[in-house]
This record gives sequence, structure tokens and C-alpha cells, in this order.
Amino acid sequence: GDSVTQMEGPVTLSEEAFLTINCTYTATGYPSLFWYVQYPGEGLQLLLKATKADDKGSNKGFEATYRKETTSFHLEKGSVQVSDSAVYFCALAPGGGADGLTFGKGTHLIIQP
Amino acid sequence: NAGVMQNPRHLVRRRGQEARLRCSPMKGHSHVYWYRQLPEEGLKFMVYLQKENIIDESGMPKERFSAEFPKEGPSILRIQQVVRGDSAAYFCASSSPPFSGSTGELFFGEGSRLTVL
Repeated sequence: GDSVTQMEGPVTLSEEAFLTINCTYTATGYPSLFWYVQYPGEGLQLLLKATKADDKGSNKGFEATYRKETTSFHLEKGSVQVSDSAVYFCALAPGGGADGLTFGKGTHLIIQP
Repeated sequence: NAGVMQNPRHLVRRRGQEARLRCSPMKGHSHVYWYRQLPEEGLKFMVYLQKENIIDESGMPKERFSAEFPKEGPSILRIQQVVRGDSAAYFCASSSPPFSGSTGELFFGEGSRLTVL
């Protein structure tokens, strides 16, 4: 079945550091890929998405590129802020418009001032 | 425009009791999804419902768990005879039309955190 693997956390960085959170997936067909973010005490919010190979999703300074050849969708940000501290979830939706999302375990990001 | 509303936010139950978690989808949404987040794990799909209809319950445990989404009122996830292993955060999400990875987005509630003593 479909699965998503993302790097274990917590990831602790200093403010203005470069961020990479790795995400790889296993899926049949052509899934869409997502990053969701969960701030403390809140529900998940869509951060960005990409629906086909080589697409780049971007939002709030975060980027991720859909790499079919490496089955990856790594999240990057050039300069993180304390307010980026949250749990980040990589997820995929099966191709063909099927319902539901398959999530990774989440990566807890801690940004220190 | 209110988002997805879940209540209670926190629920404490003793083993053997029943837990009822409620979810009101975003206005205009008629599709509801329930996910469970166990400690140190990601979100696991449980069930997908439309009004008065269960579309996919492949992620629901076979016993003690049930879900409904009546014509009027919120969706309810019901756990009978709770055990300690049921302690988790339960998230509801909604979409309209049915979530499609190519076009749609799931909107999540803030979750209900169940603690079983």
C-alpha cells in the first residue's frame, strides 16, 4: 500500500538557519504530494502541495519539489524563524481522485532564537 | 466563516466507559474524514462519511468504534468500552466536493484529545 516516510525529529535549528525536512513516498500511480503544518494546540493546515512530477509547491517561504525519479518531496526554507516551530507532516493522495490522505509520522521542528 | 469545529477538545474516560467525539464540518462541506493520531505516530485514516452515508471505513477498528454523520447535526465518532490504547488525538477534516488530491484540500479541526485512565 501507499506509505510516506519522513525524517525523525525533533529537528532543532537556530533562527535564520537553512531547513530541510526529508520526505520519501511509496505509491502506485501518480499521487499528489502535500506538506501540512500543525502549530501547537491547533489542527493541521495545508502548507503547500504539488500534483505532478517536477512541480514545485511554495508558500510562506517554504518550498518542495515533486521528484518522481527519487520518489521524494523534501521541504526546504532558506531562513527559518521562531514562528516556524511546529510539527510538519508530509502526505500523499492517490492518483485518480481517490479520497483521503496518507500521512508520514510528522517532524517536530524547534527554532531557537 | 467558522472552520471545522470539534468538541470536546479534551476528554477523560475510565476504562470501560464510552467516548463520543463530535465534529461540525466547515459551512457548505458535506464530506467528513476522521483521523487518529497516536503518540509518536502520524495520522491514520479511520473513516470517510457523507451525510447519512459511510463511504469508506477501512481504517476503523472492527470492534467498539462507530461513526455517523446524520442529516442534521454533527458527525460523531463513538468509542464503546474504551481501553488505554484508545488514548490519542482524534482529528476531523472536511472537504467539498469530495477531497481530490489534484484539486482539493482537507480542512482540519483542532482535534479531540482522549485520555483513558
